[in-house]
Amino acid sequence: ELKVEQNPLFLSMQEGKNYTIYCNYSTTSDRLYWYRQDPGKSLESLFVLLSNGAVKQEGRLMASLDTKARLSTLHITAAVHDLSATYFCAVGTTSGTYKYIFGTGTRLKVLA
Amino acid sequence: DAGVIQSPRHEVTEMGQEVTLRCKPISGHDYLFWYRQTMMRGLELLIYFNNNVPIDDSGMPEDRFSAKMPNASFSTLKIQPSEPRDSAVYFCASRNRGTYSYNEQFFGPGTRLTVL
Repeated sequence: ELKVEQNPLFLSMQEGKNYTIYCNYSTTSDRLYWYRQDPGKSLESLFVLLSNGAVKQEGRLMASLDTKARLSTLHITAAVHDLSATYFCAVGTTSGTYKYIFGTGTRLKVLA
Repeated sequence: DAGVIQSPRHEVTEMGQEVTLRCKPISGHDYLFWYRQTMMRGLELLIYFNNNVPIDDSGMPEDRFSAKMPNASFSTLKIQPSEPRDSAVYFCASRNRGTYSYNEQFFGPGTRLTVL
């Protein structure tokens, strides 16, 4: 059974600092997604990572994928208050049923 | 496109009542997913459909929950009878298995259900 773990669960950081969120998964997968959720809102797609070594960047966020280590990271550079949200990774199964297993989420709070 | 549409956005009901949540996927998308989100359990996949056919309902918590997709543009999730522990936000998501879509899911705004 595919399991997806994120850490940390909660992250409070000062503006201008850098930090990394980690997403580990337990079995082989060929795709990984990062989503953002603001309080009381829906999930918004941030990145899609499809191959080993894939790196995507958007503004102050950069996501990478290491399929051999079964690890994805979401790196935050020079955090700003607007990045405060909950970030989820989701891993697609390769069993043929094409469902996604979501991580627990990382609640990020950027302090001004 | 209007995106995934869900209704109602908020539902408050009493224990024992029937609740029906509705979803309209993005036009052309052939997969539809129902999720439930709570503080305790996070985001859980309940069921998903491909071309209107239920593929995996292993996440449906019990027989009180049922889901249907009578056509490509409409799905329902029904809870009968509802219980306080069903209180959660229910999300519908859809995606296209097309070659260049990367199988990305698009989420609706969610229905916040409160069962008293």
